[in-house]
Amino acid sequence: EAQVTQNPRYLITVTGKKLTVTCSQNMNHEYMSWYRQDPGLGLRQIYYSMNVEVTDKGDVPEGYKVSRKEKRNFPLILESPSPNQTSLYFCASPRAPGGQDGRYTEAFFGQGTRLTVV
Amino acid sequence: DQQVKQNSPSLSVQEGRISILNCDYTNSMFDYFLWYKKYPAEGPTFLISISSIKDKNEDGRFTVFLNKSAKHLSLHIVPSQPGDSAVYFCAAKRNYGGSQGNLIFGKGTKLSVKP
Repeated sequence: EAQVTQNPRYLITVTGKKLTVTCSQNMNHEYMSWYRQDPGLGLRQIYYSMNVEVTDKGDVPEGYKVSRKEKRNFPLILESPSPNQTSLYFCASPRAPGGQDGRYTEAFFGQGTRLTVV
Repeated sequence: DQQVKQNSPSLSVQEGRISILNCDYTNSMFDYFLWYKKYPAEGPTFLISISSIKDKNEDGRFTVFLNKSAKHLSLHIVPSQPGDSAVYFCAAKRNYGGSQGNLIFGKGTKLSVKP
């Protein structure tokens, strides 16, 4: 079964204490992304990766880091979390676009990580 | 600069009637559009998509219409069922630069289908 697995599902931490949210996919996809969901703002992309060792900033990258040392894993790192990073985080893994018509298939999302920074 | 807009935060529909969710976009470089459905405490799940070279795609009770000249797409659900109650996100795929494959999402529309 195609899966994107995030851990932990819930996390409460204090300002400044480094944390990592893990994401793993079993579909051998090249692409992986991180999003955050906030009330009234929808889903906003934080970082994405097109392949191993290839990462780039999304729309709201400030305060986050990522790494992609192997295809299946794409951890999200908060070096010094702040209260404005309290949010619901989703990892996603789409299939890469392909085909002459640029056919694209859907991204698979993880279950989400609810992070609270106090 | 919001490139994908869902201007209705919520929509309430009677069971059995049609639900129409709307989405507007500003970037003509988007080449694929998708709708996702999200229940509370779950990740978004893919519902239906449409390529920019099409104007309609149908899958069971769900149909997506694309009007490229108006930069507008809509999702029709017929007939609506209480289980369709969820937040629906419109998303567009970029097809330029190094960010191919990345999705930009709207803010979502909360659909409530009343029995």
